[in-house]
Amino acid sequence: AQSVTQLGSHVSVSEGALVLLRCNYSSSVPPYLFWYVQYPNQGLQLLLKYTTGATLVKGINGFEAEFKKSETSFHLTKPSAHMSDAAEYFCALSSGNTPLVFGKGTRLSVIA
Amino acid sequence: DAGITQSPRHKVTETGTPVTLRCHQTENHRYMYWYRQDPGHGLRLIHYSYGVKDTDKGEVSDGYSVSRSKTEDFLLTLESATSSQTSVYFCAISLRGGLETQYFGPGTRLLVL
Repeated sequence: AQSVTQLGSHVSVSEGALVLLRCNYSSSVPPYLFWYVQYPNQGLQLLLKYTTGATLVKGINGFEAEFKKSETSFHLTKPSAHMSDAAEYFCALSSGNTPLVFGKGTRLSVIA
Repeated sequence: DAGITQSPRHKVTETGTPVTLRCHQTENHRYMYWYRQDPGHGLRLIHYSYGVKDTDKGEVSDGYSVSRSKTEDFLLTLESATSSQTSVYFCAISLRGGLETQYFGPGTRLLVL
C-alpha cells in the first residue's frame, strides 16, 4: 500500500531563514512525488514534481526538493523564507495510474 | 489557471437533505476527482472518474455518489447529508491520470446542520 507521512503539522520559521518541510513515503513500486501548496481559501497548486531522472527537482517560487530513494524521502526546501510563503503544503504520491495519495499537510508560518 | 469551476462555493444544509455539488472543466481532461479536506486529515479521495460514465471509489466513498454524463461535468451527490460530511470539497482534473499533474478547483465549503 502507498502512504505519505509529513513530519510536523506546523512549522514556523523566521523571514529569511531556511525552510525545510519533511515528507517520507512508502511505495512498493517507483513513485511519482509531488508537492502542492494551498494559500488560504484557495485550491491547491503544484509546486514541483519528481517523475524520473534528476533527483533534485526545482519548482516555482524558489522551492526545490530532493528524491532520496534510500531514505524514502522527498523533503521540500527553500533557502530563504518570505512572508508570502506562509501557506499549507502537501506532499503527494502516485504510482502507475493510481490516484494521488496525499499527506496530511504542513502549515508553514513565517515570522517577521 | 486551469479552467475549473465548482458550484456552489458555499452551502448550508440540514441533516437528511440531498446535496449535489458540481465540478465543471473547460480543459477536456479525461480524469476528474472529488476530494474532501478536513483538519488533521489532509485531502482524502472520495470518488474519481476516468471517462464519461466511468467512475471508481476512493478512500472515503461511503455516503457519496457521483455521475459523469459529459466530459466537462462531474457531479458529487450526498444522498442524505450528515453532520460528518461538513467539509471543504475540492474537485481536481488531470489529463491522463495519476502520473500527471492534478489541477484543483477553488473548493466548496459545505456545512451540514
